[in-house]
Amino acid sequence: GESVGLHLPTLSVQEGDNSIINCAYSNSASDYFIWYKQESGKGPQFIIDIRSNMDKRQGQRVTVLLNKTVKHLSLQIAATQPGDSAVYFCAEINTGRRALTFGSGTRLQVQP
Amino acid sequence: NAGVTQTPKFRVLKTGQSMTLLCAQDMNHEYMYWYRQDPGMGLRLIHYSVGEGTTAKGEVPDGYNVSRLKKQNFLLGLESAAPSQTSVYFCASSYDIRGQYQETQYFGPGTRLLVL
Repeated sequence: GESVGLHLPTLSVQEGDNSIINCAYSNSASDYFIWYKQESGKGPQFIIDIRSNMDKRQGQRVTVLLNKTVKHLSLQIAATQPGDSAVYFCAEINTGRRALTFGSGTRLQVQP
Repeated sequence: NAGVTQTPKFRVLKTGQSMTLLCAQDMNHEYMYWYRQDPGMGLRLIHYSVGEGTTAKGEVPDGYNVSRLKKQNFLLGLESAAPSQTSVYFCASSYDIRGQYQETQYFGPGTRLLVL
C-alpha cells in the first residue's frame, strides 16, 4: 500500500479491548463531523457522523462524542478486532462551505 | 453500482509532463471533490464541484485544473507536473436530497502519482 501515515500517532490495543481515538478540531463554525477509516491502499471509508447539536451518537460498536466547548471529538470502538486496524481520520465541515477539513489521522494497531 | 472509480491507479511522470486523472461515479451525485494525501497528513482539498459545469477552488488548488463537463465525471489536470505533486490523489462524491446537501462523502480507491 501507499506510505500514508508514516509519522502518524499510533494507538496500540489488545484484541477485545476498547479503543478511544481523539481529535481536536479548529473551526468553531464547523457544524458537522465525520470519522473515516482508511485501510492501507484504500480510500477513506465512512464510519459515523455527528452534528453540532448533539454530543453523542452511537453506531454498531462505535460511539462518537463531541465536546464543542473544547472543540474535541472522540471515537470509541468497543471490543476492538484485528479488522479495525487502520488509520482513522476525523473531518469537520461548515455546511455553508460544503468542503471537509481533515485531521492528520491516528493509526490504530490491534494486537491479537 | 461501482461507486467512485479512479483511473489510473498509478502513474510515474517526469517533471514538466502533463496528465489528467479521471474520476467517475455512478451514484448520480451532485457534488464531487479532489483531494491529495501526503505522508503523515490528512486529506487536503484541491478543487471541488457542486454540479455539472461548475468548479471551485479548495485549500491547495495551485498547479491543478479541473473540469466537470458531465455530471458523472470529474477530471483533475496537471499541466506541468512538479515533484511537490507526488502524492496519492483521492476523488469523492456526495449527494443532495430534494435540494438538501448531504455531507457524507464517498471516496474512490486513489491514484498514486510519482513525479521524478
